[in-house]
Amino acid sequence: AQKITQTQPGMFVQEKEAVTLDCTYDTSDQSYGLFWYKQPSSGEMIFLIYQGSYDEQNATEGRYSLNFQKARKSANLVISASQLGDSAMYFCAMRGSYIPTFGRGTSLIVHP
Amino acid sequence: EAQVTQNPRYLITVTGKKLTVTCSQNMNHEYMSWYRQDPGLGLRQIYYSMNVEVTDKGDVPEGYKVSRKEKRNFPLILESPSPNQTSLYFCASSLGGAGANVLTFGAGSRLTVL
Repeated sequence: AQKITQTQPGMFVQEKEAVTLDCTYDTSDQSYGLFWYKQPSSGEMIFLIYQGSYDEQNATEGRYSLNFQKARKSANLVISASQLGDSAMYFCAMRGSYIPTFGRGTSLIVHP
Repeated sequence: EAQVTQNPRYLITVTGKKLTVTCSQNMNHEYMSWYRQDPGLGLRQIYYSMNVEVTDKGDVPEGYKVSRKEKRNFPLILESPSPNQTSLYFCASSLGGAGANVLTFGAGSRLTVL
C-alpha cells in the first residue's frame, strides 16, 4: 500500500514571499512518481510539477520547485515569490504500482 | 485542445434515481479513472480502467459502476444514488498507468443526492 501525508491543513504567506508545503509519503515501490496539483476556488485540478523517484535533481517549473528528499520520503512543494493567485488548495499525490494516492490537501492563503 | 470533458457539471437528484456522469477524453489516453472529493479527505479513487473493456475497483467502489466500451469514454453510473454519494466527482486520464504518467482532470461534477 502507499500513503501520502500532508500535515498542514492551512498555510498563510505574505505576497512575494516564499512558502513550503509539506508532503511525506510511504511506499514499498522502488519506482514511483510524485506530483503536486493546485485546486483554485473554481474547483479544477491543475497539474503543477512532477518528480520521478530516480531523478537525481529536484524538479522545477517556473516559480514551483519540488524539494525531494528520498531518504526522508518527503516531497515538499516550494512556491517562490507568492502571488495572490496562488491562493488555493494544494494536493500532493503519488503513482507507483498501486492506484494513484492523494493527500488531504493544504489550503494556502496569500495575503497582500 | 487536449482535454477531459465531463457532464453534467452540476446535478441535484433524489435517492434511488439512476444517473450517469459522462467522461470523454480526446488525447488517446489508455488510462482513465474516477475520483470523488470530500472535505478533509482529499481525492479517493472509485474505479479505473487500463484500456477498453478493462476496469478495476479503486478505494471506494461501493455504489458505483463503470464501463469502458470505447477508448475515449468512461462513464460513471450510480444505479441507486444515496445521500452519502453527495460529492464532487472528477474524471481523470493519463497516457498509461505507470508512475511517470501525469493525470489530466476534467472540470469536476458536483452531485447532490437528496
